[in-house]
Amino acid sequence: EPEVTQTPSHQVTQMGQEVILRCVPISNHLYFYWYRQILGQKVEFLVSFYNNEISEKSEIFDDQFSVERPDGSNFTLKIRSTKLEDSAMYFCASGDVDRVNEAFFGQGTRLTVV
Amino acid sequence: EDKVVQSPLSLVVHEGDTVTLNCSYEVTNFRSLLWYKQEKKAPTFLFMLTSSGIEKKSGRLSSILDKKELFSILNITATQTGDSAIYLCAALGNNNDMRFGAGTRLTVKP
Repeated sequence: EPEVTQTPSHQVTQMGQEVILRCVPISNHLYFYWYRQILGQKVEFLVSFYNNEISEKSEIFDDQFSVERPDGSNFTLKIRSTKLEDSAMYFCASGDVDRVNEAFFGQGTRLTVV
Repeated sequence: EDKVVQSPLSLVVHEGDTVTLNCSYEVTNFRSLLWYKQEKKAPTFLFMLTSSGIEKKSGRLSSILDKKELFSILNITATQTGDSAIYLCAALGNNNDMRFGAGTRLTVKP
């Protein structure tokens, strides 16, 4: 069964460093999302992406964050100058044209900023 | 401010019990209400509700949406230990931005 794949599963980085979280959405999907979940807290929407541009972003998604679809398969989230409070599980999700609302989630990347 | 509120936050039941999980929402340009089950890591999709009063059913799980009162419920009948998880409700806006509630942690004891 097709699935959303995220790498790495766990990343440890030093405060101030840049990280890139990678996602391979399901191949025929056109809608892509990033969410984060700080340990013990609720899942928070970061950004949605369609047709090679951001369609919606939350107040969390400030200039520190950027997303890119560098080729036909990968969807990346870049966090510049990481802060301790960026430590969280980051989920990528994708949806297809017909079932765009049924977002399929990847297994997440646990980011730890030290 | 958009918000999604779930209740209860935590629930402990015994196998065979029936549970009802609640979700209320206030979301600009609301389009749909979604339920997810989160076990170890990623949420997995359960239901999407767009129309009021139409029950969606999948096995022992069912859900319904009330767009007038701005809430949804998720029912699980004859609970099993495998139903233990965090159940997340999310409201979807016009731009496909999902706002999640804090979740209900369900524990089903043998």
